[in-house]
Amino acid sequence: NAGVMQNPRHLVRRRGQEARLRCSPVKGHSHVYWYRQLPEEGLKFMVYLQKENIIDESGMPKERFSAEFPKEGPSILRIQQVVRGDSAAYFCASSPGQGDEQFFGPGTRLTVL
Amino acid sequence: AQSVTQPDIHITVSEGASLELRCNYSYGATPYLFWYVQSPGQGLQLLLKYFSGDTLVQGIKGFEAEFKRSQSSFNLRKPSVHWSDAAEYFCAVAPGGYNKLIFGAGTRLAVHP
Repeated sequence: NAGVMQNPRHLVRRRGQEARLRCSPVKGHSHVYWYRQLPEEGLKFMVYLQKENIIDESGMPKERFSAEFPKEGPSILRIQQVVRGDSAAYFCASSPGQGDEQFFGPGTRLTVL
Repeated sequence: AQSVTQPDIHITVSEGASLELRCNYSYGATPYLFWYVQSPGQGLQLLLKYFSGDTLVQGIKGFEAEFKRSQSSFNLRKPSVHWSDAAEYFCAVAPGGYNKLIFGAGTRLAVHP
């Protein structure tokens, strides 16, 4: 069984460009979570989504960041007009339902030049 | 606000020695508690979790953790460390359920032969 898949694994962007990070949850999981890990820090919660709904976005920066989890296809974390401070590892996790164990993907490492 | 503190940033032990990684949390009630391990360039793997009941929890890879309500602690232990245990360890809490995880900053474990 495939676990959580994230792509790309590494992404390099120049300042001002857009970054799109994709997350395919475990088959059958309808809940997705995004976390960000800055260098030398722990993971910080960003957003929690179910299919077509944002449940909790309390950790998302107010500007430039957006997330979606459409009815079909992967969840997307979108960062517009990236800045150097966005350089981090972005992890996605999924669970079958609310209150269930979260399974983590390998992460996408974003580098902003 | 809920928070997790891992006082030790780096720990070095000899192979075969015992290990204890400290974790303290701040939360009004008893949260769900977790320990995750992250190998370099990888995602997070769940070692063990505590929801309720027996305060000594057994996990994978020979790890265990003890919940102490009076000390707001959830320390991770292993009686004999193997070289393959070298990794970064994160303690996390899920306040009010399991909708999002709050992570500590992590403890990096090095194992000497």
